[in-house]
Amino acid sequence: AQTVTQSQPEMSVQEAETVTLSCTYDTSESDYYLFWYKQPPSRQMILVIRQEAYKQQNATENRFSVNFQKAAKSFSLKISDSQLGDAAMYFCAYRGEYGNKLVFGAGTILRVKS
Amino acid sequence: GAGVSQSPRYKVAKRGQDVALRCDPISGHVSLFWYQQALGQGPEFLTYFQNEAQLDKSGLPSDRFFAERPEGSVSTLKIQRTQQEDSAVYLCASSFMSPGFNEKLFFGSGTQLSVL
Repeated sequence: AQTVTQSQPEMSVQEAETVTLSCTYDTSESDYYLFWYKQPPSRQMILVIRQEAYKQQNATENRFSVNFQKAAKSFSLKISDSQLGDAAMYFCAYRGEYGNKLVFGAGTILRVKS
Repeated sequence: GAGVSQSPRYKVAKRGQDVALRCDPISGHVSLFWYQQALGQGPEFLTYFQNEAQLDKSGLPSDRFFAERPEGSVSTLKIQRTQQEDSAVYLCASSFMSPGFNEKLFFGSGTQLSVL
């Protein structure tokens, strides 16, 4: 079974600074998809960024980028120029190429200080 | 509707009571998922529907949990004889097509169930 591990329960960053959230996963599949989701207090999950495992190039979405290391099974999220609105719970998630369900990590609370 | 709608937003139940949680997906969305999120944890998969067909129910924790989507739109998650360990946020998500990389999943705001 696939597992996703987020080893940082909580992180803090100063406004306008950069922060990196860590995620590792375990799988025997060769092709799969990885996601970062943001969950604000409203509880509604919002997709931040996604990565296909067979693509070497790291995904980027505006201030959000990932560092995908397939051999190390690592998928970290970098948030540049942090904003107060970035404060939320962040979840790393995995889905197999032919799978239906997402497997989530336990999450990292991100606090942004002004 | 504009998004995935779940009701009620909060539900308090006495242990042993039956509850029903409703999910209204975005109109026309084929795929519908239910996830259970315990306090301080990530969501865990419960079940998946493609239209009215329940294609995967491997995540339902016991036979007290039952989900249906009879007309391929609204879905109901029913929990019989609730127990304290059922306390969690129940999230519903939908997508236009079957799961795929480019298929965006839309989540509702969940129902927070507290069993006393």
